[in-house]
Amino acid sequence: DTAVSQTPKYLVTQMGNDKSIKCEQNLGHDTMYWYKQDSKKFLKIMFSYNNKELIINETVPNRFSPKSPDKAHLNLHINSLELGDSAVYFCASSQEGVAGGRNEQFFGPGTRLTVL
Amino acid sequence: GQQVMQIPQYQHVQEGEDFTTYCNSSTTLSNIQWYKQRPGGHPVFLIQLVKSGEVKKQKRLTFQFGEAKKNSSLHITATQTTDVGTYFCAVLYTHNFNKFYFGSGTKLNVKP
Repeated sequence: DTAVSQTPKYLVTQMGNDKSIKCEQNLGHDTMYWYKQDSKKFLKIMFSYNNKELIINETVPNRFSPKSPDKAHLNLHINSLELGDSAVYFCASSQEGVAGGRNEQFFGPGTRLTVL
Repeated sequence: GQQVMQIPQYQHVQEGEDFTTYCNSSTTLSNIQWYKQRPGGHPVFLIQLVKSGEVKKQKRLTFQFGEAKKNSSLHITATQTTDVGTYFCAVLYTHNFNKFYFGSGTKLNVKP
């Protein structure tokens, strides 16, 4: 069974469209993340949810809206797509460690978004 | 905001040579994790370091956490072509246990 799964794997769309990416984890973790990896391979955190509550919201255009229907799912909806949104989007999950801190993050396979 | 510097950006080595990547922070870290991302793949966890001065080994990989908990290194002895990929550090600061700051990564290429 895949620990963290994302759909779709590839997404090619026109500027101005709205699209969604879905993520599911079957690890029972309490926290899920969305990362954006640009063409230079920088991994930048976008959002984080802990038990369905938004806990990290980086400086991300409000065209990006995450939704967590339950702690195993974290979806990302993007409105009015722009050329600069082209990137690989990774979902990840982790569990709170002993005495605070975090255990390892498990990453999904990524969604390669191309905006034309 | 918090920043973590990772060097070098690229490293090209001949198979059998050693490789080291470094991660540096101006602020004391809570802990540091290392990840490897193969070309076209996703980041995969390698190790976590928590204690000051900690050294951990995984076969040919040696991970160190500085005494001041502000820097860390990943050293690969006698690289192999299977080591090709980008190595990232990810740090946590004590004021926020939920937010990982990733280094910019070191891309390793190994020539056979």
